[in-house]
Amino acid sequence: AQTVTQSQPEMSVQEAETVTLSCTYDTSESDYYLFWYKQPPSRQMILVIRQEAYKQQNATENRFSVNFQKAAKSFSLKISDSQLGDAAMYFCAPNDMRFGAGTRLTVKP
Amino acid sequence: NAGVTQTPKFRVLKTGQSMTLLCAQDMNHEYMYWYRQDPGMGLRLIHYSVGEGTTAKGEVPDGYNVSRLKKQNFLLGLESAAPSQTSVYFCASSYGAPSYNEQFFGPGTRLTVL
Repeated sequence: AQTVTQSQPEMSVQEAETVTLSCTYDTSESDYYLFWYKQPPSRQMILVIRQEAYKQQNATENRFSVNFQKAAKSFSLKISDSQLGDAAMYFCAPNDMRFGAGTRLTVKP
Repeated sequence: NAGVTQTPKFRVLKTGQSMTLLCAQDMNHEYMYWYRQDPGMGLRLIHYSVGEGTTAKGEVPDGYNVSRLKKQNFLLGLESAAPSQTSVYFCASSYGAPSYNEQFFGPGTRLTVL
C-alpha cells in the first residue's frame, strides 16, 4: 500500500519561533499537487498550503512555506513567527485521497 | 454559502443498530468523500463519488454503504453498527479530482457505538 509518513506525532514551539513539520510519501505519478491541512480543536479541517509538484519553486502563504523535495518525496511545512492560533493537528496529503497520521503542534506562550 | 454540512453532529448507537449520515454541499462540486478519523491514524477514506449516481470504495469500505442520488448530497450508511465503527466521520468535497483540487471538509460527526 502506498504510504504517507509524518514522523513527528507531536511538536512544540515557542510563540514567535519557527517550526518545521515533516512529511514523506510515495507515488507513481509525476504531475500532482500536495496539500497541508490544519485541524484546530474545533475539528474543522482547513487548507493551509498547496504545492504543485511540477513547480520547482516552493509554495509560500504568509507565515507558512513548504520545502518540497520531489526526488526524495519529501514535503515539509515550515511555520514562521508561530502564533497561539497555530496550535492544531496538521495533516499532509499528497496527490490523492491519502492523509498522514498527523502532527499535533503545541505553541507555548 | 454554507460549504459542506453534516447531519447529525453527534450520535450514540447500540451494536446492531443502523443509521445514515447525511452530507450536503452547496458548491456544485463533482467529487465527494467520506473519511473516518481515529486517534493516531489520520483520515482514512471509506467511500467516494466522482459524480451524481457514482460511488467507489476507498481504503476501509467494509461495513459501510453510500449513495449519491443528487449531486449535492452524499449519504453514508451503517447497516449494522459495530463498536469498531466508533469514530469521527468527515465528509469532504472537491471541484475536481483530488490530485489537483483542494478538499473542503464538513465539521464532522462523532459516532459512538456501544
